[in-house]
Amino acid sequence: NAGVTQTPKFQVLKTGQSMTLQCAQDMNHEYMSWYRQDPGMGLRLIHYSVGAGITDQGEVPNGYNVSRSTTEDFPLRLLSAAPSQTSVYFCASSYGSGAVGYTFGSGTRLTVV
Amino acid sequence: GENVEQHPSTLSVQEGDSAVIKCTYSDSASNYFPWYKQELGKGPQLIIDIRSNVGEKKDQRIAVTLNKTAKHFSLHITETQPEDSAVYFCAASSAGGGADGLTFGKGTHLIIQP
Repeated sequence: NAGVTQTPKFQVLKTGQSMTLQCAQDMNHEYMSWYRQDPGMGLRLIHYSVGAGITDQGEVPNGYNVSRSTTEDFPLRLLSAAPSQTSVYFCASSYGSGAVGYTFGSGTRLTVV
Repeated sequence: GENVEQHPSTLSVQEGDSAVIKCTYSDSASNYFPWYKQELGKGPQLIIDIRSNVGEKKDQRIAVTLNKTAKHFSLHITETQPEDSAVYFCAASSAGGGADGLTFGKGTHLIIQP
């Protein structure tokens, strides 16, 4: 049981490049979400999903896309990276609604130059 | 939307002493309040949580209290140990509500002095 797995752990992008941050969980959790963590800002919700085929926006969704084709996977796409997207990104999953008992992955540190 | 304020931003205590971190929230519909511990280079780890129908919850050296009327909740760590050094985050959400996500405080860096 691996929990929540995020890849890659580190990534450097040039401004304007695109990439996908991967997130997979093996706990059969229905609820998954993406957060970004910036110094002094805590964690902020980007997008979330309450089940396969259902996604919605969080607090800071601009510049990011998500899809949820399976229960296990919830990738986060950056279409055209900007320096403001330099951050640490965390994926989380939960068995219940309202973010009850969210389990977080170990994070992806992204630098956009 | 929900707004969570967390204090202090840094807390230094002597090993063996108690530590208290306080949070306030703005949305009276919030009914689930977890606390996360984050060690350097790792993701946040849930250490304790409380629902709005409970005033206090304990788990060994850790306890959380909730005052719904005043909209504040606190984390209490007793008999602190070096391994308690980390950043702690409080959060709030409306379990069962339409938006499914946590609103976090900005974190407290807890330093345990030997």
